[in-house]
Amino acid sequence: DAGITQSPRHKVTETGTPVTLRCHQTENHRYMYWYRQDPGHGLRLIHYSYGVKDTDKGEVSDGYSVSRSKTEDFLLTLESATSSQTSVYFCAISVHRASYNEQFFGPGTRLTVL
Amino acid sequence: ILNVEQSPQSLHVQEGDSTNFTCSFPSSNFYALHWYRWETAKSPEALFVMTLNGDEKKKGRISATLNTKEGYSYLYIKGSQPEDSATYLCAFPLNNAGNMLTFGGGTRLMVKP
Repeated sequence: DAGITQSPRHKVTETGTPVTLRCHQTENHRYMYWYRQDPGHGLRLIHYSYGVKDTDKGEVSDGYSVSRSKTEDFLLTLESATSSQTSVYFCAISVHRASYNEQFFGPGTRLTVL
Repeated sequence: ILNVEQSPQSLHVQEGDSTNFTCSFPSSNFYALHWYRWETAKSPEALFVMTLNGDEKKKGRISATLNTKEGYSYLYIKGSQPEDSATYLCAFPLNNAGNMLTFGGGTRLMVKP
C-alpha cells in the first residue's frame, strides 16, 4: 500500500461548509497527488505536489485548494462544499523506477455533500 | 490535456470466456503506458507498466500488449473468473518525467458465474 493513509475515510457534510481531507505517507516520497473518481472519466487530477510548499493545479482544480507543510502530509480543502463535489477522493504518491514513475493509491475518502 | 480513450466502457462476460479491451493514446511523444485494476470500494492497483513498442506483459491469466506507433494497448483476460470483475484503467504520462498521469475512463468488466 506504499504507506499511504487517508482521513477521514467517510464524510457527510452540508453544502457551503468547508472540508479538509488528509493524505499521509510514511516513505518520504516527493510527489503526491489528489484525484477524484468521476463515472466515465476514471480518475481526474485535482492538484499535485512536488515538494514541501510546492503545489500545482490539475485538470479539475476549481473549488479545491491544497497545502503541503511537511513531506508526509498533503491536505485537500474544499473551501465551500457543493453537491457536485460528492465523490470518492484518492491520494497517490509517485515512486521512481529505472525508466518510469509509478503511482500508488491510498484507500480513498468517500465524501457526500448534501 | 491528452486524450486517453478506453473501449468498451463496460463488458459483461460469462465465467470462462476470454475477453479483451483497448486503450488508445496519443502516438506522438510516448513515455509509458500504465494499466490499473480497480475493484469496487477499493483503490486502484497497478497491473502493468509498458514502456517499449511491442512489449507484452503477463500476470497469471491477464496479459497486455503495446503498439506505440499506432497508439494503442490491449488488455487480455483468458478464462475470466468472477474475481476478475473490476474496472480496468489505463493511464498515460503527460511528460517524460512521468510524474503526471492522465487516465482513461476505464472499462468495467463484469464476469457472471
